[in-house]
Formats: sequence, C-alpha cells, structure tokens
Amino acid sequence: AQSVAQPEDQVNVAEGNPLTVKCTYSVSGNPYLFWYVQYPNRGLQFLLKYITGDNLVKGSYGFEAEFNKSQTSFHLKKPSALVSDSALYFCAVTRRGEAAGNKLTFGGGTRVLVKP
Amino acid sequence: NAGVMQNPRHLVRRRGQEARLRCSPMKGHSHVYWYRQLPEEGLKFMVYLQKENIIDESGMPKERFSAEFPKEGPSILRIQQVVRGDSAAYFCASSPYPGQGNGREQFFGPGTRLTVL
Repeated sequence: AQSVAQPEDQVNVAEGNPLTVKCTYSVSGNPYLFWYVQYPNRGLQFLLKYITGDNLVKGSYGFEAEFNKSQTSFHLKKPSALVSDSALYFCAVTRRGEAAGNKLTFGGGTRVLVKP
Repeated sequence: NAGVMQNPRHLVRRRGQEARLRCSPMKGHSHVYWYRQLPEEGLKFMVYLQKENIIDESGMPKERFSAEFPKEGPSILRIQQVVRGDSAAYFCASSPYPGQGNGREQFFGPGTRLTVL
C-alpha cells in the first residue's frame, strides 16, 4: 500500500518570504511524485512531478521540489511567495509500473496562506 | 483543446435519489480516473476506466456506486439511493497514455459538488 503525509494542515508566510510545503511518502518500489494546487471551487492544477533524473524538479509558477530518497520526502518550495499562491496544495504518489495506470494516492493537503 | 469537462458542476439530491455525474476527458485521452474529496480532506481514488473497461475499482464502495466509460460519450459515475455521507466533490481526471504507471500527469476537471439533503 502507498501513502502520503503532509504534516502541516496550514502554512502561513509573508509575501516575499520563502515558502515550503512538506510531503513524505511511502511506496513499495520506485515512486512517481506529484504536486497539485487547488484554488477555491476549482479542480486540481498540475504543478510539477518527479519521475527520474535530477532530484530537484522545477515546475510552474516558480515552484520547485526536491526528491530525497533517503528521507522519502518531496517538499515543495518557492523562493519568494506571492499572495496569489494562497491555495490548497496536494502531494501525490504513484508507483512506477502501477498496474492500475497512474492511480494516485494523495496527501491530506496543506493550505497555504500568503499575507501581504 | 478543451480541458476535462464535468457536469453538472453542482448537484443537489434528496436521500434515496440517484445521482449521475458525467465526465468528458480531454481530446485524445482514453483513460479516466474518478476521485472523491470529502470536506477538508484529500482526494481518494475511486475507479480507473479505459474505454468500455473498468481497470481498477478498488476505491469504489461495493454498494450503490457504479461507473462506466462507453465507446462513445462521457464517463458516468452513478450513485444510487444517495445518503448524506455521499456529499462530496467528485473529480474526474484523464490521461492519454495506456498501460502501467508511466508517470504521466493527470488532468483534472473542475469537479461536481454533490449535496445530499
């Protein structure tokens, strides 16, 4: 079975400051890891993913994430947060070669609030 | 290229009625996933379908829930005899590539928010 933990329900940060959203995962075999963002009353938008290769992955809107295999983590980061980054962020994992396609297991989500 | 379409966006049903949720995947996508999001929770996988086939329904309740993805037309998630606990947002996602997990991201629709009175 695979699982994702997002230990913080909410992260508050001042605009212009660095933003980090934590994610740890558990999966048998090699993982594919994803970050999605959800704005109020909207669907999920894809931000970035780790498949293989460089552990630092760059994505949309200035976000990046670092895959750390030894710590089974995939934290999302942004060097300088914007008020418009306020949203709900989800980390998700699937297992490479998952028989059911890309069936995703999601974390519980972290609400990010960026204050001006 | 239109994104994943879901309708209706909001659906209100009384206990005991049927709810029918529709999802049209992105053009060229033949793989559909349904997820359920309960209030203040993350998304939970329900079912994975390809055209005319259910590949994995391990996340779907055994009773009252069913899903299909016909050769023509949208994917349908059907909930019979709804109860208040079915109130949630139901999201559909699609992806273009067949076979086992290959890391292709899924594209999500805007969701259908089901309220059971």
